[in-house]
Amino acid sequence: DVKVTQSSRYLVKRTGEKVFLECVQDMDHENMFWYRQDPGLGLRLIYFSYDVKMKEKGDIPEGYSVSREKKERFSLILESASTNQTSMYLCASSFEQNYEQYFGPGTRLTVT
Amino acid sequence: EDQVTQSPEALRLQEGESSSLNCSYTVSGLRGLFWYRQDPGKGPEFLFTLYSAGEEKEKERLKATLTKKESFLHITAPKPEDSATYLCAAEGYGGSQGNLIFGKGTKLSVKP
Repeated sequence: DVKVTQSSRYLVKRTGEKVFLECVQDMDHENMFWYRQDPGLGLRLIYFSYDVKMKEKGDIPEGYSVSREKKERFSLILESASTNQTSMYLCASSFEQNYEQYFGPGTRLTVT
Repeated sequence: EDQVTQSPEALRLQEGESSSLNCSYTVSGLRGLFWYRQDPGKGPEFLFTLYSAGEEKEKERLKATLTKKESFLHITAPKPEDSATYLCAAEGYGGSQGNLIFGKGTKLSVKP
């Protein structure tokens, strides 16, 4: 079974803090993704990566950056957390394009 | 603009009452159509991938079908444990590889 793990289930941070969300997959997948999910807005893509050290912006990259130094690990960085970044963050991975994405359990981030 | 619309937003069924969920998509050439199940506070769980019109896939009480404009998730004789939000997503040739467009989901409640 594919397993995607995320470093924290719940996280509370203060405005202005730098926040790191970690994601690890164990299936040697090429592609990895970061989404945020908000009520009424659905899942929105922040960034994705199709290879080590490669990244592409999704629909809402502003205020975020990513890092992929190893194939199995994809990190999302909030450079200076703001209250409007309070959300559920979901990481996913897939073998390659045209294949299903497998999701982690999510990190519920609250910025106060 | 690529778009995925799901209906209804919410559906309440009695146990054993079969029904269908709808997913309408507008993408520039469909690579794949994906169905997920999401329980509260958890990441989406992959159910099905459909690639071409006329294709059908089944798993227990669920059957997914695909036409050139829509996909349906048919639920036969549902049980309370089928209660969840069901998400539909489409990947088109016009977008970046692996970039899924998600619908906002249908929240299904099955009462005993």
